[in-house]
Amino acid sequence: AQSVTQPDIHITVSEGASLELRCNYSYGATPYLFWYVQSPGQGLQLLLKYFSGDTLVQGIKGFEAEFKRSQSSFNLRKPSVHWSDAAEYFCAVEGSGTYKYIFGTGTRLKVLA
Amino acid sequence: EAGVAQSPRYKIIEKRQSVAFWCNPISGHATLYWYQQILGQGPKLLIQFQNNGVVDDSQLPKDRFSAERLKGVDSTLKIQPAKLEDSAVYLCASTPGGDLTIGQFFGPGTRLTVL
Repeated sequence: AQSVTQPDIHITVSEGASLELRCNYSYGATPYLFWYVQSPGQGLQLLLKYFSGDTLVQGIKGFEAEFKRSQSSFNLRKPSVHWSDAAEYFCAVEGSGTYKYIFGTGTRLKVLA
Repeated sequence: EAGVAQSPRYKIIEKRQSVAFWCNPISGHATLYWYQQILGQGPKLLIQFQNNGVVDDSQLPKDRFSAERLKGVDSTLKIQPAKLEDSAVYLCASTPGGDLTIGQFFGPGTRLTVL
């Protein structure tokens, strides 16, 4: 069965510091992978996605993610965090052409001034 | 382009009462999803529609939850009767249906509190 694991429930970083949020997936073939961000009181917004090709993908708001098949990972990174990045981040996987998405439990990011 | 619309944004009810949520997806989007997001958890898929047909409702508690998308456009999700554990944010999302790579577009959600 497909699954997504986000090992870190909470992460705190200082503004200007680099960020890496972890995501591991379980799926038999190469899945479609997504990162979403959810600000308080808002719906989820797509940050970036991977489905094939270059394993390093760029997204909005300066985020990037790297797909590593050998580690079944799709970690999200940002070189310099801004206070406005404080939010909850969800990794998601879609597979088998079902249009069915499975979400991780999320990582809540806190940014210190 | 208008986004996914949901109403109401907030709802407070007593347990055993009924409640309904409404979702209008992005125009032309064939696939519509309802998710339940309990505080501190990721969204859990309740039901998935392709046009007006149900694709997946395996995680929908059918003894109390129902959903419909009669004309293949907007959709309603109903809970009857509500339980305390139904307190959550109910998210609606849509996709065009023909392109798996686009991802989903989410509405702002309806926050339900059951007292």
